[in-house]
This record gives sequence, C-alpha cells and structure tokens, in this order.
Amino acid sequence: AQKITQTQPGMFVQEKEAVTLDCTYDTSDPSYGLFWYKQPSSGEMIFLIYQGSYDQQNATEGRYSLNFQKARKSANLVISASQLGDSAMYFCAMSSSNSGYALNFGKGTSLLVTP
Amino acid sequence: SAVISQKPSRDICQRGTSLTIQCQVDSQVTMMFWYRQQPGQSLTLIATANQGSEATYESGFVIDKFPISRPNLTFSTLTVSNMSPEDSSIYLCSVEEDGGRYEKLFFGSGTQLSVL
Repeated sequence: AQKITQTQPGMFVQEKEAVTLDCTYDTSDPSYGLFWYKQPSSGEMIFLIYQGSYDQQNATEGRYSLNFQKARKSANLVISASQLGDSAMYFCAMSSSNSGYALNFGKGTSLLVTP
Repeated sequence: SAVISQKPSRDICQRGTSLTIQCQVDSQVTMMFWYRQQPGQSLTLIATANQGSEATYESGFVIDKFPISRPNLTFSTLTVSNMSPEDSSIYLCSVEEDGGRYEKLFFGSGTQLSVL
C-alpha cells in the first residue's frame, strides 16, 4: 500500500522568500511518480511538478523545484521567491502502475504568504 | 494539456435526492478518475472509469451510491445517489494524459456539493 505524509498542516513565508514544503512517502512499487498540486481557495487542483522514481535529477518548473531524496523517501517542494498568489493548499501525491495511475494524496499543507 | 469541463460547478441539494456530475474532456483519454474532497480534507479516490468496462470502486465506495458512466473516451458522469449531509464535498474528475516521460494527471474545476 502507498502512503503519503505531509507533516506541516500550515506554513508561513514572507513574500520573496523561499519555502520548503515537506513530503515523505512509502511504497513497495519500484516504479512510481510523485506530484505536487496547488489548490487555491477556488477549489481547482493545479498541477505544479512531477518527479519520476528513476529520474536522476531533481525536477524543476519555474519557481518550483522538487528536492527528491529517494533513499530517504522524501519529495519536498521548494518554492523560490514566494508571491502573495502562492497562498493556497499544497498537496503531495503519488501514483504508480500498480495503483492504475490513480493518485494517492497527502493531507496537504496550507501556505500563507505575507507581505 | 487536456481541457476538462466539469458541470455543475456547485449545487445545493435536498436530502434523499440525487445529483449527476458531468466531466467532458476535449481529447480522448483512456483513464478517468473521480475523487471526493470532504471539507478540510485531502482528496480520496472514489473510482476509476474506463471506457467500455465497469468502473472500479475503491474501498468504502459502492456502485449503488456512486454510479458512474463512461460512454466514450471524452465523457463521464458520476451520480451521488440518495444524498445525505455527509455527502457534502467537492467532487473532482481527473484524466490521465501522456506527458511523454510520464502520465500527467489533470483535474477538472470540481463540483462543490452541499446537501441540506
């Protein structure tokens, strides 16, 4: 069975600073993918970044980067130069071929960016 | 990326009634997923809907309560039957898209359901 753990219910960061949102996972599947999604107050789920279990390099997408430490089973999201519009819920999720590519989500971290 | 239209965006329903949520994709997709997000909670997979076969339900979800149709590769519906206040949630459809290196999973804008 897969399990995603996000231990930070809420985080604060000042505008223009960087912030790291933690995510650890547990799976017996050798091949899996790790995703981060942003959910603003409007409720939509916005795809941010993906990391494959066999990827050698950490994924980056603009201001988002994923600090992937496979041996520690962690996939932390780093947001650089935070903006007020980054205030939202952030969910870490995992999928694998054995799960039929359905996503298994963590409980989420609420990020508030302050001026 | 695929454009996913989900309707209705929100609804307020009476106890005991049913609501059908539609999910339309602008391209053909093999796998579609339905998720539920209860207030203040994370997303939980309800079922996987594949065209031409019965939906596969996760533990805790049954077809009588959440019947799903998948008539073609661009459309699916989820019905929430015999609703109770506990069904008040956001319901989201998700589709899998071949991103080349991996399977991307995109979401519709969600249906916010309140049951009185």
